[in-house]
Amino acid sequence: EVQLVQSGAEVKKPGESLKISCKGSGYSFTSYWIGWVRQMPGKGLEWMGIINPGDSESRYSPSFQGQVTISADKSISTAYLQWSSLKAADTAMYYCARGAVRFDSWGQGTLVTVSS
Amino acid sequence: DIQMTQSPSSLSASVGDRVTITCRASQTISSYLNWYQQKPGKAPNLLIYAASSLQSGVPSRFSGSGSGTDFTLTISSLQPEDFATYYCQQSYSPPRTFGQGTKVEIK
Repeated sequence: EVQLVQSGAEVKKPGESLKISCKGSGYSFTSYWIGWVRQMPGKGLEWMGIINPGDSESRYSPSFQGQVTISADKSISTAYLQWSSLKAADTAMYYCARGAVRFDSWGQGTLVTVSS
Repeated sequence: DIQMTQSPSSLSASVGDRVTITCRASQTISSYLNWYQQKPGKAPNLLIYAASSLQSGVPSRFSGSGSGTDFTLTISSLQPEDFATYYCQQSYSPPRTFGQGTKVEIK
């Protein structure tokens, strides 16, 4: 069974750094891209970017380029989304999902709350 | 970026109704269009890919059609478990943008 398991909810202060994770299992992790999707409270889905765990090639939405970093460690079948300096506007649910052109399996989501 | 516009933003329907949701792309995207369902507090779930291909495990009452810039998702007979928000997504080019969503509510 394909599974993507994300790290737990985080509460951070503005200016702090954060790295959340997404661990894949039940399939060949390096054979599928992994993407990240943001969902702000009460809002729709936003495509942030994707990464190829096999060679770490990544593509970002212009809206998120320079704001976040997507990475992967294929040795432990895990993808990451990180911020160097969080803002209150980063408060959202973040989902990882498998696939490059369609997301056919999703993680359970990681809620990130940024508040002073 | 390619902009995706769904209509309506919300609709009310009864169990057994036929429901149609439309999605329009700001430029031609061939058949590179996916549909997802999201229930409250849950991750989205892929329903349709490549405009009309049914994802494995998805009930056959869901169907998709269209190409170019105009697409539709149809639920042939609405079931209680179908009350949710539906999103289209273009997979033609990065960033692979989503529509704003259509919330299907109980009448």
